[in-house]
Amino acid sequence: SAVISQKPSRDICQRGTSLTIQCQVDSQVTMMFWYRQQPGQSLTLIATANQGSEATYESGFVIDKFPISRPNLTFSTLTVSNMSPEDSSIYLCSVDRVEAAAFFGQGTRLTVV
Amino acid sequence: DAKTTQPPSMDCAEGRAANLPCNHSTISGNEYVYWYRQIHSQGPQYIIHGLKNNETNEMASLIITEDRKSSTLILPHATLRDTAVYYCIVRVATSGTYKYIFGTGTRLKVLA
Repeated sequence: SAVISQKPSRDICQRGTSLTIQCQVDSQVTMMFWYRQQPGQSLTLIATANQGSEATYESGFVIDKFPISRPNLTFSTLTVSNMSPEDSSIYLCSVDRVEAAAFFGQGTRLTVV
Repeated sequence: DAKTTQPPSMDCAEGRAANLPCNHSTISGNEYVYWYRQIHSQGPQYIIHGLKNNETNEMASLIITEDRKSSTLILPHATLRDTAVYYCIVRVATSGTYKYIFGTGTRLKVLA
């Protein structure tokens, strides 16, 4: 398994501002993934982040809204930009062990007011 | 889009086996089936995965049909702490990596 730490665990933000979420893994991983879980819904993949290259975004998600950094093999950040109440969700970081399974952080609960 | 369909909810009596079905009729030959569960908005927890053969670990058993179009997760002796949303996922290979595309899941309620 992998130990994944996300910060902050929760935040309340004003609309129009931005929040950067950090994801730290206890070992080096090639791929990191960011998900969004809207209230009462399942998880939706936002993007895949590979170290040293641009993140790959899923349909419906764009870099201007959700910029991602991946500076090394154990760390990534997701920024939620120009927030609106519709961005209120849980944001989760995940890493994949190709021969095993994906592991998830505990998530960041974001409320936009 | 998710490649799996699951019933939205199920109940199970405490101490009995919980059998959670999943349909994945469009699965490809090299795609694995994974099961995760999510308890009260925590991060999803890995349970088990398989390709063709049935699998068992300390948490559960996974039964995959011979044609691989469906599978069943079995929790042999459900407890109240197994109340959660259970997700059946087909891991999809793409651009040198894999993606886990979540469906809507099954909300399992274990009853005392």
